[in-house]
Amino acid sequence: AQSVTQLDSQVPVFEEAPVELRCNYSSSVSVYLFWYVQYPNQGLQLLLKYLSGSTLVESINGFEAEFNKSQTSFHLRKPSVHISDTAEYFCAVTPIAGGSYIPTFGRGTSLIVHP
Amino acid sequence: GAVVSQHPSWVICKSGTSVKIECRSLDFQATTMFWYRQFPKQSLMLMATSNEGSKATYEQGVEKDKFLINHASLTLSTLTVTSAHPEDSSFYICSARPGTYEQYFGPGTRLTVT
Repeated sequence: AQSVTQLDSQVPVFEEAPVELRCNYSSSVSVYLFWYVQYPNQGLQLLLKYLSGSTLVESINGFEAEFNKSQTSFHLRKPSVHISDTAEYFCAVTPIAGGSYIPTFGRGTSLIVHP
Repeated sequence: GAVVSQHPSWVICKSGTSVKIECRSLDFQATTMFWYRQFPKQSLMLMATSNEGSKATYEQGVEKDKFLINHASLTLSTLTVTSAHPEDSSFYICSARPGTYEQYFGPGTRLTVT
């Protein structure tokens, strides 16, 4: 079984400041990792993913996340946030082995960007 | 690419009636579709997993006779909330998976039962 822990339920930050949203996971098998963003009253949009290769993955809108196997973490970072980044962010893992490939989501972190 | 639609986007119904929500993958075929329920300020709760042509697999605690799921084709899955009650009011989100790992989410359906 897998579990995902997003340590911060809410992260307030001022515009143009850097931000890090933390995600830790536990799993008995190897996993793929994902970050999703959800704007109010909308579904989830894939922000970025780690499947294999370079442990640092980037999105088109300036977010990046680094897979750290030893620390079982996949923290999301952005060097300079915008008001439009205000949203709910979910970290998720999907087991590679086992057959079901059912994803497990964290509880979400609400990023609030203040002007 | 990888667009998933849901219809309706919001619905209000009276207690005791049934409501059907459609989930369509518009530009890919989905071998698997998921149905989630999301309460305000909370994460997604997986309700069931459906594979085209077979019965859905429901998560523990989800009443399969109340939440009927049909995955009739590789691009369409429906969730029917039967005999809806106010406690069924929620945000329902579907997702579709074309392969093994990645999934693409619909925009969600807001159900309000009065």
